[in-house]
Amino acid sequence: EDKVVQSPLSLVVHEGDTVTLNCSYEVTNFRSLLWYKQEKKAPTFLFMLTSSGIEKKSGRLSSILDKKELSSILNITATQTGDSAIYLCAVANNAGNMLTFGGGTRLMVKP
Amino acid sequence: NAGVTQTPKFQVLKTGQSMTLQCAQDMNHNSMYWYRQDPGMGLRLIYYSASEGTTDKGEVPNGYNVSRLNKREFSLRLESAAPSQTSVYFCATKEVMNTEAFFGQGTRLTVV
Repeated sequence: EDKVVQSPLSLVVHEGDTVTLNCSYEVTNFRSLLWYKQEKKAPTFLFMLTSSGIEKKSGRLSSILDKKELSSILNITATQTGDSAIYLCAVANNAGNMLTFGGGTRLMVKP
Repeated sequence: NAGVTQTPKFQVLKTGQSMTLQCAQDMNHNSMYWYRQDPGMGLRLIYYSASEGTTDKGEVPNGYNVSRLNKREFSLRLESAAPSQTSVYFCATKEVMNTEAFFGQGTRLTVV
């Protein structure tokens, strides 16, 4: 059974801080790892990672995959209150394209 | 271009009632998924359909059934609703190749 674990479960920081969110996985026939941000409604896509060691970057957010360690991190620098959300990690496998999510990390950024 | 459309957006059921949640996509994706999300938690996979004509159980399938009616539509049925099925339900679609998954806006279901 595919498994995705995120840590920490929740995090409270102040504006301007840098945070690192973790995602580890146990997946048969790994295909890709995806990060999503969820505010009030549906998750919105951030990154998709397929190759180890290649950083994906979008503004203050960046992410990297380590296939040897079966993990990924999501970094957010100079956090803002608008970064407050649940961050979700998901892994897609080759066997039927199953997409498994982790439990999420709830980030709260205080002014 | 609607993307992924879920109906209804909200629903209140009495214990034992049945209902079907509908999901339709116009993105021509092969794979479709149903997830539930309980307060403060991540998404748990109920059922998925890798392609038209196939369906498979996810992590929490008990109490649910699905139908992949055609390439566009994937429905989720609760035959006899229970309070433990109170949740927000999300439908998602994805291509088999390395692409992101797209989500509907969710259905908030309360079973009393």
